[in-house]
Amino acid sequence: ELKVEQNPLFLSMQEGKNYTIYCNYSTTSDRLYWYRQDPGKSLESLFVLLSNGAVKQEGRLMASLDTKARLSTLHITAAVHDLSATYFCAVDFDMDSNYQLIWGAGTKLIIKP
Amino acid sequence: GAGVSQSPRYKVAKRGQDVALRCDPISGHVSLFWYQQALGQGPEFLTYFQNEAQLDKSGLPSDRFFAERPEGSVSTLKIQRTQQEDSAVYLCASKSMEKGNQPQHFGDGTRLSIL
Repeated sequence: ELKVEQNPLFLSMQEGKNYTIYCNYSTTSDRLYWYRQDPGKSLESLFVLLSNGAVKQEGRLMASLDTKARLSTLHITAAVHDLSATYFCAVDFDMDSNYQLIWGAGTKLIIKP
Repeated sequence: GAGVSQSPRYKVAKRGQDVALRCDPISGHVSLFWYQQALGQGPEFLTYFQNEAQLDKSGLPSDRFFAERPEGSVSTLKIQRTQQEDSAVYLCASKSMEKGNQPQHFGDGTRLSIL
């Protein structure tokens, strides 16, 4: 069964702290996406990770991919309130067709001043 | 427009009514996807189009759900004889190429409530 699991599902943290969100998946894939969703809004693409060892950074967010461990992480450095949102990872399991993504349940992140 | 546009943003219907949800993808995008998102969950795949061809409809939950993209641009998701369990946010996404590493670009969704 194709599964993507995120943890934690809910995270409340103070501004200025660091934390990591984890995304595990069940079957080999080397194509993983991170998205952000604000309440009532669209899903916004954050990172595309395409190979083992891939690391991408944008501002206070850094994403990495370990295809052998079937694990991706999204690390938040010195969190600020504006990063409060729900974060989703999505995995492309079908390399040939490259269209069906399997999504995690999302991590709701609340950053308190 | 610059992004994926969906309409209506909100739709309330009585159980048993038919509804039609519209998606206008980014101009020139070959691939179009429909997803269903329940409250507090990730999106679940419904169907995929490459231009006007519906290549995968394996995620459609029943034969009451029907999607089309007759001219390879605008797409419509139709739900017949709506049920309460159809209440969800319906998301449309488009992508520039059939294959490749680009992310999918999402619209704001249509929030469907069935009374």
